[in-house]
Amino acid sequence: GAVVSQHPSWVICKSGTSVKIECRSLDFQATTMFWYRQFPKQSLMLMATSNEGSKATYEQGVEKDKFLINHASLTLSTLTVTSAHPEDSSFYICSARGLGGVYEQYFGPGTRLTVT
Amino acid sequence: GQNIDQPTEMTATEGAIVQINCTYQTSGFNGLFWYQQHAGEAPTFLSYNVLDGLEEKGRFSSFLSRSKGYSYLLLKELQMKDSASYLCAVIGYKLSFGAGTTVTVRA
Repeated sequence: GAVVSQHPSWVICKSGTSVKIECRSLDFQATTMFWYRQFPKQSLMLMATSNEGSKATYEQGVEKDKFLINHASLTLSTLTVTSAHPEDSSFYICSARGLGGVYEQYFGPGTRLTVT
Repeated sequence: GQNIDQPTEMTATEGAIVQINCTYQTSGFNGLFWYQQHAGEAPTFLSYNVLDGLEEKGRFSSFLSRSKGYSYLLLKELQMKDSASYLCAVIGYKLSFGAGTTVTVRA
């Protein structure tokens, strides 16, 4: 149980375009979802926390108008990278926490974004 | 804020034991996680400690001392597939990760 999927697993886009990444909890309801970014040989950095039906809470230094997060249902959250630039190229990972799951998070397989 | 330190790299021989240390300073503490991450993949859960002491799970064990802000992950009977990055993560009001320790297992 506790499976989280992400789509797409990798994407290449041109500079200036927008990319949407989906994160789904397949067998549980995720009240809270988290979006992380990881650059090569670096740690995961939390970008934002989203709760179903409410606005996401962004970490300091993360532009909310550039990284749009929607958590419209208990099983789906989306991250849209708007007007992507090469410096946005990274590994984006979502995680989900379910009802009653106090601290444990389940991670999706990640999405590799390359902006050319 | 949170500060989490762990060694960058470790190398060991197949069948050996390796201990990965993690020290942390946090403004709040609700537990410490260890994750394994293979290159290009998401982290997978290994252990969670919230109380002091040793938690053993098969070949992997994790230890926590809250008073010292210290944890270690012990990997026994190393196998080639254990070559990966091991992330120490502390949860206060959010889950914060250390930079990870890359473990290379050699034959």
